[in-house]
Amino acid sequence: DTEVTQTPKHLVMGMTNKKSLKCEQHMGHRAMYWYKQKAKKPPELMFVYSYEKLSINESVPSRFSPECPNSSLLNLHLHALQPEDSALYLCASSQEGTPQETQYFGPGTRLLVL
Amino acid sequence: QKEVEQNSGPLSVPEGAIASLNCTYSDRGSQSFFWYRQYSGKSPELIMFIYSNGDKEDGRFTAQLNKASQYVSLLIRDSQPSDSATYLCAVNAGGFKTIFGAGTRLFVKA
Repeated sequence: DTEVTQTPKHLVMGMTNKKSLKCEQHMGHRAMYWYKQKAKKPPELMFVYSYEKLSINESVPSRFSPECPNSSLLNLHLHALQPEDSALYLCASSQEGTPQETQYFGPGTRLLVL
Repeated sequence: QKEVEQNSGPLSVPEGAIASLNCTYSDRGSQSFFWYRQYSGKSPELIMFIYSNGDKEDGRFTAQLNKASQYVSLLIRDSQPSDSATYLCAVNAGGFKTIFGAGTRLFVKA
């Protein structure tokens, strides 16, 4: 089973709203990732958690706040977003400790900021 | 700056033909190489990974890696209209950072 789930599938929010994106995997993977993808562009890495600790933050604005409550769950808290933050937000996981770090993606959350 | 380069396409092939997708990368320390397929509006789906020089076959797909030339390719045999998608090449040089190419759009004509 290589399934990563994400909720919600779609989200529309105003610039003053607070919302959260959720990601879950039950593959026993210990590394989890958030990516942002704009149309016709490759995924851009935002954050990486390894063993529930933040390992990489790619200089993401503080209006994006990640959280890893346990090894299966990853959240992305959103606050005071801008219209340019509208994108597809992808969660991925990989089995750390292997040299390959093959990443499996969830279906994504399509976010529209008005 | 580590880079992964792909021809953006579109690459158009007739149904039943072989589609050849190419990718070059700049970091000689790269260890793992991945091909993802992404349909419009959907998330990337892993097709294959390869880490040794040579060919790796899985069904209609063959990945080819040449580390000396810093080149990785994906061949799709007997192309089907359902193969029409964007194909992302991704490269990992160790650690958590996988660099994605911008993708090649493939169109298979029925």
